[in-house]
Amino acid sequence: AQSVTQLGSHVSVSEGALVLLRCNYSSSVPPYLFWYVQYPNQGLQLLLKYTTGATLVKGINGFEAEFKKSETSFHLTKPSAHMSDAAEYFCAVSDRRANSKLTFGKGITLSVRP
Amino acid sequence: NAGVTQTPKFQVLKTGQSMTLQCAQDMNHEYMSWYRQDPGMGLRLIHYSVGAGITDQGEVPNGYNVSRSTTEDFPLRLLSAAPSQTSVYFCASSYVQGASYEQYFGPGTRLTVT
Repeated sequence: AQSVTQLGSHVSVSEGALVLLRCNYSSSVPPYLFWYVQYPNQGLQLLLKYTTGATLVKGINGFEAEFKKSETSFHLTKPSAHMSDAAEYFCAVSDRRANSKLTFGKGITLSVRP
Repeated sequence: NAGVTQTPKFQVLKTGQSMTLQCAQDMNHEYMSWYRQDPGMGLRLIHYSVGAGITDQGEVPNGYNVSRSTTEDFPLRLLSAAPSQTSVYFCASSYVQGASYEQYFGPGTRLTVT
């Protein structure tokens, strides 16, 4: 079985500040890892994903995440927050077996203060 | 391409009523799924389908039925609505289940059961 832990439900940063959203996973086999973003009243959109190869993954809108196997983590970062980054962010995991399902964390709401 | 479309966007039901949430995709994706999103719970998988004529249960299937007669459509039926089914429902599709493939989400249906 696999699971995702996103500590805290809400993060608030000032515009221009570093964004750090934490994600830890549990998986019995090597995982695929994803970050999705949900803007108000919309569906989810893929930000980035880790499959194989380079452990530092770059996504859309200046976000990136680093897969750290030893820490079972996949934290999302952005050097400088923008007001338009205010949204809910979900970390998700699936494993590499055929027909593996996607398991989501509970989500973190990011607020950006002017 | 329209991507993943869902109708209706909003719905209010009385306890005991039945209804069908529609989902369609025009990307020729084999895999489709239904999630519900509740505050602080993330997204939970209700039912999924790996191709026309094949469906299976997810994490929270009770009270819901699905069928997949075509590749494009994957309706979700509420047999006898209950207040516990008040939620936002998302349909998603991808080329294959799990693995590294991105899931594309519809805009959601906000359902209230009174």
